[in-house]
Amino acid sequence: EVQLVESGGGLVQPGRSLRLSCAASGFTFDDYAMHWVRQGPGKGLEWVAGISWNSGIIDYAGSVRGRFTISRDNANNSLHLQMNSLRAEDTALYYCAKDSRITMIRGVVGYMDVWGKGTTVTVSS
Amino acid sequence: DIQMTQSPSSLSASVGDRVTITCRASQTISTYLNWYQQKSGKAPKLLIYAASGLQSGVPSRFSGSGSGTDFTLTIRSLQPEDFATYYCQQSYSTFTFGQGTKLEIK
Repeated sequence: EVQLVESGGGLVQPGRSLRLSCAASGFTFDDYAMHWVRQGPGKGLEWVAGISWNSGIIDYAGSVRGRFTISRDNANNSLHLQMNSLRAEDTALYYCAKDSRITMIRGVVGYMDVWGKGTTVTVSS
Repeated sequence: DIQMTQSPSSLSASVGDRVTITCRASQTISTYLNWYQQKSGKAPKLLIYAASGLQSGVPSRFSGSGSGTDFTLTIRSLQPEDFATYYCQQSYSTFTFGQGTKLEIK
């Protein structure tokens, strides 16, 4: 069964750090790009960051660039999100999602075909 | 950055109705447009990719169309399980989601 399981969420004070992880199974992890998507309380979906199969292409939403770092460990089929300098507006349910492509390039149809159930991050003092 | 605007933001309909949701991109994105369904408390689920491709396992009452900047998701003959929030997403330049359309029971 194709599965993504997120972990690492919790309550953290503003300005502090948190590291999220996503364990993948049921598919060849290093054949696909991966992403983090978040959803604030009562809000819509926001793409956060993406990483190609070999970490050669990495991109971030403007709202997190310079504070968050996405990484992957293909040997252990895992995706990570290091979140520094957290703000109240980073409070959200964070989803891990599999891309249909090996890398994020123009000219190739891309979509998120597998999602985890999410892990909740709350930034509050 | 490419902005995606959905309309309406919310919609009330009855079982058996035909429903159309629209999505407009701030610049041309060819057919790099996907649609997702999200039920309360659940992760999003891919319905339509590349504007009109039906994801495996998705009922044929769902269909998508459009290209360039204007796109539509149509649900023919609404079923009780279709009441959810729907999001469009562009994949022309990384990813951007629309703000969502909440489909409620009338």
